[in-house]
Amino acid sequence: KAGVTQTPRYLIKTRGQQVTLSCSPISGHRSVSWYQQTPGQGLQFLFEYFSETQRNKGNFPGRFSGRQFSNSRSEMNVSTLELGDSALYLCASSLGGREREQYFGPGTRLTVT
Amino acid sequence: GENVEQHPSTLSVQEGDSAVIKCTYSDSASNYFPWYKQELGKRPQLIIDIRSNVGEKKDQRIAVTLNKTAKHFSLHITETQPEDSAVYFCAAIDSGTYKYIFGTGTRLKVLA
Repeated sequence: KAGVTQTPRYLIKTRGQQVTLSCSPISGHRSVSWYQQTPGQGLQFLFEYFSETQRNKGNFPGRFSGRQFSNSRSEMNVSTLELGDSALYLCASSLGGREREQYFGPGTRLTVT
Repeated sequence: GENVEQHPSTLSVQEGDSAVIKCTYSDSASNYFPWYKQELGKRPQLIIDIRSNVGEKKDQRIAVTLNKTAKHFSLHITETQPEDSAVYFCAAIDSGTYKYIFGTGTRLKVLA
């Protein structure tokens, strides 16, 4: 099976712009979670989508939003970018059950200048 | 909701020695506990996991133990090698929301 893929891998944006990141889960996986990771920091949970519905949400401002399509692919959008949004954005997919293995994509490195 | 604490935040060991990383969780109904390894510049990789009906699981030089009564689980790496140097994250799943709750990570350095 192909692994989790994310596009683009690298992105440079200017403060105030918006950005959309994409995540394609492992075939058959219905859950996609998004995380933000800044240098030397842990995994900050953004949100999780399961069967096209947001199932969980982290403590990020409303500038961060997401959605999931019927094929389980997910997108994350950040509007009005700030310098502090520069980070590695990781998505992870799983079957979605209570005892589920979660696999990460390679991440999108976003730089805001 | 679930809360996961991880210790230590950094750990240095001599090559060949053992390393132990410990995590505690709060949700007594949690029943799945994975460990991830993240090398510099790479994605977190699932290296081992344990379910609540098992007390210990081994995979070559890596083992995980679970104490449900005390609500803690640990990662044990034996005969450490330089390639074991990475950040390790533990996690638990909140039984109510099914949300992954990660520990804050342990930076392991294996000194040659």
